[in-house]
Amino acid sequence: SQKIEQNSEALNIQEGKTATLTCNYTNYSPAYLQWYRQDPGRGPVFLLLIRENEKEKRKERLKVTFDTTLKQSLFHITASQPADSATYLCALGDTGFQKLVFGTGTRLLVSP
Amino acid sequence: GAVVSQHPSRVICKSGTSVKIECRSLDFQATTMFWYRQFPKKSLMLMATSNEGSKATYEQGVEKDKFLINHASLTLSTLTVTSAHPEDSSFYICSARVSDRAVGAFFGQGTRLTVV
Repeated sequence: SQKIEQNSEALNIQEGKTATLTCNYTNYSPAYLQWYRQDPGRGPVFLLLIRENEKEKRKERLKVTFDTTLKQSLFHITASQPADSATYLCALGDTGFQKLVFGTGTRLLVSP
Repeated sequence: GAVVSQHPSRVICKSGTSVKIECRSLDFQATTMFWYRQFPKKSLMLMATSNEGSKATYEQGVEKDKFLINHASLTLSTLTVTSAHPEDSSFYICSARVSDRAVGAFFGQGTRLTVV
């Protein structure tokens, strides 16, 4: 069965450092991968989408890589700020751009 | 960006009663909406795909008679939890996609359902 794994342990880093979150998947060949931010008691907010034929995507302080051979995506936040503290979810989608399968998320805590 | 509004944000109901949750796309039309359920510190689990003007498609293991979905217009989908029980207590979230496939899904604020 499809499986998406994200670090279940919270990631604690200091303000100004780069946070790196990992998303690994098995038994799946996604057409694209997405990253979302979720704050407690709120719905996810879309951050970035990267397609299977793309290696890297950037948006402001965010960078996503996608390695379909390793079946892994890395999500980087540079110059992290306390306001970046949240849970980050990766999600995989098929060519129909419809159904998404989500990972369990990794909680990021950025200390001042 | 596109806005999806979900209502109510919190609801407490008694066992055996039914609860309706609304999901509206405010500034775009959504022929397809999705309903998820999320347990504490767990992933979002897709419950069903709501299609405007037709029956919803339910994921395996989701009781369609218990979780009634209606998508009567291009901007509104509703999820009704019928004969609610405490085990139905959860965080329910809807989402919709816009036609631009370069962006992800837009999610509602979520509804915290507590059945007592």
